[in-house]
Amino acid sequence: DIQMTQSPSSVSASVGDSVTITCRASQGISRWLAWYQQKPGKAPKLLIYDASTLQSGVPSRFSGTGSGTEFALTISSLQPEDFATYYCQHDNSFPLTFGGGTKVEIK
Amino acid sequence: EVQLLESGGGLVQPGGSLRLSCAASGFTFSSYVMTWVRQAPGKGLKWVSIINGGGDITYYADSVKGRFTISRDNSKNTLYLQMNSLRAEDTALYYCAKKVTIGGHNWFDPWGQGTLVTVSS
Repeated sequence: DIQMTQSPSSVSASVGDSVTITCRASQGISRWLAWYQQKPGKAPKLLIYDASTLQSGVPSRFSGTGSGTEFALTISSLQPEDFATYYCQHDNSFPLTFGGGTKVEIK
Repeated sequence: EVQLLESGGGLVQPGGSLRLSCAASGFTFSSYVMTWVRQAPGKGLKWVSIINGGGDITYYADSVKGRFTISRDNSKNTLYLQMNSLRAEDTALYYCAKKVTIGGHNWFDPWGQGTLVTVSS
């Protein structure tokens, strides 16, 4: 199975800051990675797929990069509504797996 | 508007069974891959199972293989998860989710609101 390791597990930042979250795959997954946002008590929401394609309706301050085993999600100019937990997910093979999550907290 | 509404969760004893349902609307249900993902209280997301549009191709996480069965009734626009031999570690909020596109890779959006399964004596 492919393991997905996210770092950091949590980050404190202020409104207006830029934040980068990384996701490492235990083996190469090409560009088959997605990022989800989950707010407390809510279902996850797809932000980015195919490593860098923005899902319809997602603000352009979210961006994704990477391929192979190293990926990153960057949120430029954090907004109050961006404080949430973020997960990566691969689709290189079954079983699908998610990263452990990164909580973006208000400093 | 795409809507997914899970039901069927509840309290069950270890070794018991439960069937979850996910009622879908707002899209051509039979055309889309669907999946179940669970989240234990305070923990991260764990993929459980996936099924193709026709219902004849399925995959499972190792942790549920042989105990859980995913299925769908396209005439009722409903996805199911039959859970047998339940264990305490199956306690979680169970989400159903729709694959974003008919083709392409398995990315999911939207997700339902989840149904809570608690396995305890």
